[in-house]
Amino acid sequence: DAKTTQPTSMDCAEGRAANLPCNHSTISGNEYVYWYRQIHSQGPQYIIHGLKNNETNEMASLIITEDRKSSTLILPHATLRDTAVYYCIVRDSSYKLIFGSGTRLLVRP
Amino acid sequence: ETGVTQSPTHLIKTRGQQVTLRCSSQSGHNTVSWYQQALGQGPQFIFQYYREEENGRGNFPPRFSGLQFPNYSSELNVNALELDDSALYLCASSSALAGASTDTQYFGPGTRLTVL
Repeated sequence: DAKTTQPTSMDCAEGRAANLPCNHSTISGNEYVYWYRQIHSQGPQYIIHGLKNNETNEMASLIITEDRKSSTLILPHATLRDTAVYYCIVRDSSYKLIFGSGTRLLVRP
Repeated sequence: ETGVTQSPTHLIKTRGQQVTLRCSSQSGHNTVSWYQQALGQGPQFIFQYYREEENGRGNFPPRFSGLQFPNYSSELNVNALELDDSALYLCASSSALAGASTDTQYFGPGTRLTVL
């Protein structure tokens, strides 16, 4: 089973920041937090991952709380093309990704 | 750099038939994982191949099998197709040693299989 809890859906206005929360209260010390997104009928797209520290790349920022029990994915300036299902995944040392139901983000014009 | 590619894009089969789906890994990647995504659900892990051997398997019956070739491309074979096998089949490739938690998996566009 997925080790994360995410809201079913969210929306934000185009041009504003989208903040997607994820709870992972049972995360272990060596487990990473990964974020993927899936635009309708396409393969999941890797966004970002982190262990303890906050991370930023050209797509997004990942903020992980100090106790590591939750995290937030931030899309700084959401566009209509960011409308997608966003998956937060806690990755242990195994080979597989365990996807939950994700958050359906709708970016409004 | 070429990304992960999959073929065919779409496929229609009937119950009881067999199907083979193909995946070419991203340049420099040596590990391939397969996932099944039913409509409205998140992807579910089927199995992973590393060095031409199955490295791990999810909760799927033996009629789901695979191969990895020396060039790291891979096939997913499904025998005795059932209606519930209708899904998007996703392939993901990665480059680290199998089992490493930091080997980021990059997905292909998927193959949409419909079983009638």
